[in-house]
Amino acid sequence: EVQLVESGGGLVQPGRSLRLSCAASGFNFDDYAMHWVRQAPGKGLEWVSGISWNSGTIGYADSVKGRFTISRDNAKNSLYLQMNSLRTDDTALYYCAKGHTVTTFRGAFDIWGHGTMVTVS
Amino acid sequence: EIVLTQSPGTLSLSPGERATLSCRASQSVKSSYLAWYQQKPGQAPRLLIYGTSSRATGIPDRFSGSGSGTDFTLTISRLEPEDFAVYYCQQYGDSPRTFGQGTKVEIK
Repeated sequence: EVQLVESGGGLVQPGRSLRLSCAASGFNFDDYAMHWVRQAPGKGLEWVSGISWNSGTIGYADSVKGRFTISRDNAKNSLYLQMNSLRTDDTALYYCAKGHTVTTFRGAFDIWGHGTMVTVS
Repeated sequence: EIVLTQSPGTLSLSPGERATLSCRASQSVKSSYLAWYQQKPGQAPRLLIYGTSSRATGIPDRFSGSGSGTDFTLTISRLEPEDFAVYYCQQYGDSPRTFGQGTKVEIK
């Protein structure tokens, strides 16, 4: 079964750091781009960051650029998001999502985890 | 950044009716890299349509997508009870990837 499981969320004070992880299973992780998408309580979806299959292409939303760092470890089938200088408006459910198309950074998001909640307060 | 504007904000319909959801982009979406997602309360989004009109795996054929350039449409031909949800469009041709604000399809 194709699965993404996020972890690492929690309650953190403004200005502090948090590292999210996403464990992938059931597919060839190193063939696909991966992304983080967040959803503030009662709000819509916001793309946070994405990384290509070989980490050669990385992108960030302007709202997190310079504060968040995405990375992956293909040997461990894992995706990460290092979040520094957290702000109250970073409070959201953070989803890990898989790119739809093999080896390209461009692709819709076809598999999503259940999310991990980050509360900055 | 490409801004996606969805309309209407809320669509009130009865089961069996046809739903037409609109997504308008602030500039042309590259190579029709436009997707639609469905999200139910307490659940993660689910990919319905990619590449403007291709259905994702397991998506019933009552869902269809169309459009090009800056105007895109998701059509649900006959609403089933499980289709009442929030729908988001997304462009993935440019960075940053962007989503529309969502259209809620509710039971009338």
